[in-house]
Amino acid sequence: AQKVTQAQTEISVVEKEDVTLDCVYETRDTTYYLFWYKQPPSGELVFLIRRNSFDEQNEISGRYSWNFQKSTSSFNFTITASQVVDSAVYFCALMLIQGAQKLVFGQGTRLTINP
Amino acid sequence: GAGVSQSPSNKVTEKGKDVELRCDPISGHTALYWYRQRLGQGLEFLIYFQGNSAPDKSGLPSDRFSAERTGESVSTLTIQRTQQEDSAVYLCASSFPRGGGANVLTFGAGSRLTVL
Repeated sequence: AQKVTQAQTEISVVEKEDVTLDCVYETRDTTYYLFWYKQPPSGELVFLIRRNSFDEQNEISGRYSWNFQKSTSSFNFTITASQVVDSAVYFCALMLIQGAQKLVFGQGTRLTINP
Repeated sequence: GAGVSQSPSNKVTEKGKDVELRCDPISGHTALYWYRQRLGQGLEFLIYFQGNSAPDKSGLPSDRFSAERTGESVSTLTIQRTQQEDSAVYLCASSFPRGGGANVLTFGAGSRLTVL
C-alpha cells in the first residue's frame, strides 16, 4: 500500500522568510507520480506540480521549488521570500502509474505567513 | 463545463436521513473521484470511476455509502441513514488520462455536509 507522510502539521513564519515543507512517501512500485496541492482558506484545492518517478530533476517555478530525492523517498517543497498569500494548507500526494490510479494524500501542512 | 461543479454547496440534515451529493466533472474527463475531508483533516479517498465503472471503491466507509456515475458525466454520492460522523466536506475531482494514464486531478469546491 502507498503512504504519504507530512510530519509538519503546522508551520508559522514571518513574511519574506524561506520555508520548506517536507514530504516522505512509501511505495513498492517503481513508477509513480508525486503531486503538491494547495488549499487556501477558500477551500478549493489548487494543483501546483506533478513529478514522475523517472525524473529526479529539481524544479523551480517563480518563488516555488521542489526537491525530489528517490534515495530518501522525499519530495520537499520550498517557498522562498514567503508572502501572506502563501498561507494555506499544502498537501503532498502520490499516484501509481500502473494499476489503481488512486491519489493518496498526506495529512497536510498548515502554513501561516505572518506580516 | 469550465470546472468541476458540485451541488449542493451546503447541506444540513438530521441524523438518519438520506442525502445525495452531485458532481458534474469537466467535459471529456473520463476519471472521477470522490474524497471526504473532515474538519482540519486530510483527504480521505472514497471511490474512483473510470467511465461509469468503479475499479476502486475501497474507501467507502460502510454500506451506507454508495456512488454511481452515468456514462462519463454526472456522478452521485448517496449516504443513507446519515450519522453525525458523516459530517465533512465531500470533494469531487475529475481528470483526463495522459501518457501512462496518470492524471492531474481538478477538484470541485466541495459539498459541506452537516448532520445534526
